Amino acid sequence: AQSVTQLDSHVSVSEGTPVLLRCNYSSSYSPSLFWYVQHPNKGLQLLLKYTSAATLVKGINGFEAEFKKSETSFHLTKPSAHMSDAAEYFCVVSPTDSWGKLQFGAGTQVVVTP
Amino acid sequence: GAVVSQHPSWVICKSGTSVKIECRSLDFQATTMFWYRQFPKQSLMLMATSNEGSKATYEQGVEKDKFLINHASLTLSTLTVTSAHPEDSSFYICSARDGGTGGNQPQHFGDGTRLSIL
Repeated sequence: AQSVTQLDSHVSVSEGTPVLLRCNYSSSYSPSLFWYVQHPNKGLQLLLKYTSAATLVKGINGFEAEFKKSETSFHLTKPSAHMSDAAEYFCVVSPTDSWGKLQFGAGTQVVVTP
Repeated sequence: GAVVSQHPSWVICKSGTSVKIECRSLDFQATTMFWYRQFPKQSLMLMATSNEGSKATYEQGVEKDKFLINHASLTLSTLTVTSAHPEDSSFYICSARDGGTGGNQPQHFGDGTRLSIL
């Protein structure tokens, strides 16, 4: 069984300051992990993915995430927030079998203030 | 990159109407597509897994006669909400996986369909 927990439902940051979105997972085997972003009334856009290669993963728009097996975490960071980063972010875990249903976190709403 | 197109993006219709939503993989073939429902300020809830050439697999609690899924080709899956009622109003999103069926491949999502039943 697997699950994913996003520790913050809401994060507010000032433009130009760092962003940290926390995600912990539970899995009985090495999972694949993803971060997606969703803007209002839009689908989900893939930011980055971890698939058992490098533990520090770089994604689009300056985001990166670090896989820490000992802490079962996959936190998303960005050094400097931009107004366009305001959105909902989902941490997602995927099993390694073929038909894998994605397990979604509850989401983190990011607000960026000027 | 892999693109999934979903149409229409917004539907408003009267109660009792059936509504069809299309999900297309534009530059890759998808033997499996997924249909999700999302309530306001909530995460995505998987409704069903659509398999090309065979019956869809529905999640527990999802009425298969209410939400008809057809996956007639490797690039198209459709979701038909039959005899829609106000409680069916929601945001529906489809996704497809590129690069085979391995779980380490990301799913690519359509832009969603906002369904409003009056």
